[in-house]
Amino acid sequence: QSALTQPASVSGSPGQSITLSCVGTSSDIGGYQYVSWYQQFPGRAPRLLIYEVMYRPSGVSHRFSGSKSGNTASLTISGLQAEDEADYFCASYTTTGTPVFGGGTKVTVL
Amino acid sequence: EVQLVESGGGLIQPGGSLRLSCAVSGLTISSYEMNWVRQAPGKGLEWVSFISSSGDTRHYGDSVKGRFTISRDNAKSSLYLQMDSLRGDDTAVYYCATETGYAFDIWGQGTMVTVSS
Repeated sequence: QSALTQPASVSGSPGQSITLSCVGTSSDIGGYQYVSWYQQFPGRAPRLLIYEVMYRPSGVSHRFSGSKSGNTASLTISGLQAEDEADYFCASYTTTGTPVFGGGTKVTVL
Repeated sequence: EVQLVESGGGLIQPGGSLRLSCAVSGLTISSYEMNWVRQAPGKGLEWVSFISSSGDTRHYGDSVKGRFTISRDNAKSSLYLQMDSLRGDDTAVYYCATETGYAFDIWGQGTMVTVSS
C-alpha cells in the first residue's frame, strides 16, 4: 500500500488560515470515511486531531477542521498560532484492511 | 490518567531479536484494538501491526510480515511486539497506540530501536 501524498511544508502568518492536503486513491481516502489527522511536535508522540474525516476528539481546538472530496482529504487550521508549528500526518483505512499514513507536512508559522 | 508506556528498545545487531512491551494503565485494555506504529529518524509515521481486542485477529505491514509478531495479555494490561531478523531499516521509534473508529487515539511516548553493528 503506497503512502498518502502530503506537501512537505506549508507556511502561514499568525491569524491566517491554511489548508493541508492529503491525496490518496479510491482504495483508501476515496473509498472510506476513515481519514484521521495527527499533530506531532519534535521529540513527542503524535496526537490525534481529527477522526472519521471531520470529527474532533475532546480537547482539540475548534480551529482544526477536516474535510474530504473524492480522493483528497484536507485539514484546515484557522487563526494560525505560533503553537501550531508542528508536523501533521494524515492516515486512512484501505481496502487491504490496514491503515496507511501520509508522509507528513511541516507547518511553519511565519 | 490513561498511560501507555513502551519499553524494551535498544541497540541490537542486524539479524537479532527484540521484544517490545507496552504497559497500559487507566483504561480497560480488553476493550481496545491496539497497534504498533514506528517512525524512522527524521521520517514519517509507518503503521507496523494491529491486534484485535481479543487477540484473534492480527495484521502486519508488508515490511515486517513474517519477521514481527504482535501479541497481547489483557490480564496484564500489556501489548507486545516480538521483532526477529532485525534489519537496519527497522531502526525507528516504536509507538503503541489504541485504535478507536479506525483512528489511533491514545499513544505511548515511544521506545527507540537501533539496528546496527
